[in-house]
Amino acid sequence: ELKVEQNPLFLSMQEGKNYTIYCNYSTTSDRLYWYRQDPGKSLESLFVLLSNGAVKQEGRLMASLDTKARLSTPHITAAVHDLSATYFCAVDSNYGGSQGNLIFGKGTKLSVKP
Amino acid sequence: NAGVTQTPKFRILKIGQSMTLQCTQDMNHNYMYWYRQDPGMGLKLIYYSVGAGITDKGEVPNGYNVSRSTTEDFPLRLELAAPSQTSVYFCASRRTSGGARNEQFFGPGTRLTVL
Repeated sequence: ELKVEQNPLFLSMQEGKNYTIYCNYSTTSDRLYWYRQDPGKSLESLFVLLSNGAVKQEGRLMASLDTKARLSTPHITAAVHDLSATYFCAVDSNYGGSQGNLIFGKGTKLSVKP
Repeated sequence: NAGVTQTPKFRILKIGQSMTLQCTQDMNHNYMYWYRQDPGMGLKLIYYSVGAGITDKGEVPNGYNVSRSTTEDFPLRLELAAPSQTSVYFCASRRTSGGARNEQFFGPGTRLTVL
């Protein structure tokens, strides 16, 4: 059974500093997605990581994928207030297929303080 | 394109009542999904559909039913509401195939409270 774990669940950040959050998953998959959710809002797609070594950047967020370690690690450079949100990692549960059923982690809630 | 739309945005039900959550997408996506999100948790898949007339259970289907008579619409039915069904419900859709991204697009959600 595919499980997705995110760490930490909460992260209080100071403006201007750098941070890393983590998503690891338990079985082989070839697709990993990052979504952002603002309070009371829907999920917005940030990154789709499709292969080992893939790196994608969205503003101050840069995410990579290591399929051998089953790990994705978004790095936050010089945190700013508008990064405050909950970030979900999701993994395609059908390796090599096109079903598209996603297994979500519990999310990492980021809060940026001045 | 409006994308994925959901109605209602909010609803309060009494235990034992029934209701249908509506979901419509105008992107001609064949794949559609229903999720629930409980506080502090990720999303759990309730049901999904790979095309009109085809539906299947997800991780947490008990207490729910779905139908898919058209490509655009994927309603979720709660027959006998229970407090455990208090949650935020998201509908999502995805292109059938082709391209590399394969991402799901989400609707704005329906916040349901069962008292």
